Amino acid sequence: EVQLVESGGGLVQPGGSLRLSCAASGFTFSSYNMNWVRQAPGKGLEWVSYITSTSSSMYYADSVKGRFTISRDNAENSLYLEMNSLRAEDTAVYYCARRDLEGHNHLDYWGQGTLVTVSS
Amino acid sequence: DIQMTQSPSSLSASVGDRVTITCRASQSISTYLSWYQQKPGEAPKVVMFGASSLQSGVPSRFSGSGSGTDFTLTISSLQPEDSATYYCQQSYSIPRTFGQGTRLEIK
Repeated sequence: EVQLVESGGGLVQPGGSLRLSCAASGFTFSSYNMNWVRQAPGKGLEWVSYITSTSSSMYYADSVKGRFTISRDNAENSLYLEMNSLRAEDTAVYYCARRDLEGHNHLDYWGQGTLVTVSS
Repeated sequence: DIQMTQSPSSLSASVGDRVTITCRASQSISTYLSWYQQKPGEAPKVVMFGASSLQSGVPSRFSGSGSGTDFTLTISSLQPEDSATYYCQQSYSIPRTFGQGTRLEIK
């Protein structure tokens, strides 16, 4: 069974840092491109970042570019999101999601999410 | 960036009704269009990909159509468990933008 389990969320002050993790199981993690998607309270979905299976390429939304860094450890079956210079508007549930392998590029599995709250 | 616009933002329909949600892209995205269903307190789940391919396990009352810039998600006979917010997303280019969502309520 495919499972994605996020962790690392919590309360952080503006300007602070946080590292999110996503533990993957039930599939060959090293074969899949992965994403982070977030959802502010009561709002819609916002794509945040994307990393290829071998970490050869990473992409970011303009809203987080230069502040967030996506990475992965295929030996540990884990995806990460390093978040720096956090702002109130980064408050959201952060989901990791797997991109399908068959070329349609949709997100076929999602984790349950981890809540990040940026507040003083 | 490609902008995705959904309509309506919300709708209310009765069990058994046929419901259609529309998504429009600001430029052509071929069929790189997915639909996600999200219920309160849950993660989104994909219901349709490639504009018209039904995700495994999703009931056949769901269907999708469109290509280029205009797409639709149709539920042929609405069921109580279909109450959710639906989002379209383009996967043609980075950034992978979502529509603003359509909240579907059962009367």
